[in-house]
Amino acid sequence: SAVISQKPSRDICQRGTSLTIQCQVDSQVTMMFWYRQQPGQSLTLIATANQGSEATYESGFVIDKFPISRPNLTFSTLTVSNMSPEDSSIYLCSASGGVSDTQYFGPGTRLTVL
Amino acid sequence: KQEVTQIPAALSVPEGENLVLNCSFTDSAIYNLQWFRQDPGKGLTSLLLIQSSQREQTSGRLNASLDKSSGRSTLYIAASQPGDSATYLCAVDTGGFKTIFGAGTRLFVKA
Repeated sequence: SAVISQKPSRDICQRGTSLTIQCQVDSQVTMMFWYRQQPGQSLTLIATANQGSEATYESGFVIDKFPISRPNLTFSTLTVSNMSPEDSSIYLCSASGGVSDTQYFGPGTRLTVL
Repeated sequence: KQEVTQIPAALSVPEGENLVLNCSFTDSAIYNLQWFRQDPGKGLTSLLLIQSSQREQTSGRLNASLDKSSGRSTLYIAASQPGDSATYLCAVDTGGFKTIFGAGTRLFVKA
């Protein structure tokens, strides 16, 4: 199994600013992902964080708004840029050892944009 | 396009009752199906993972079944406890690491 931590756990931000969320896994993993969970909704995949290369974004999400880094096999960051109140959500990092492997999730970052 | 539906959306049961949560998906071409638990304001905890070649998985009081041909999975919780109160999410891996989540079933177990 993998234990995933995220920082910060929550934040309140002003419109127009940016926030970077960090995700740390306690072991090397093949895949890392970023999800968004809007209030009262289920999870939506934002992107797959690729080690050493550009992230793969899902439809509706773009790199300029959600730049992602993954410098090594245990760490990734997601930046929410030029925030608006519509970006208020829980952002979750997850990791998997490979195809058909269990997905493990971090505790999430609760973001509120005023 | 894969869609995942969970029924019921919410469920309230007395302690000790056995219960079944349902998950259906529209495209049977899946790699696996995973059940998660989410406590309020928290991340997700993996409960059971069923590979596409498997029919069921068990862990303690939990049993999950998978019927790919009919696009259905059930999560059976035996002898429910107040500590089981949470939202239960079903997620299917459609390949290429694209995981599609259902909206969840919010479970409340009354003491």
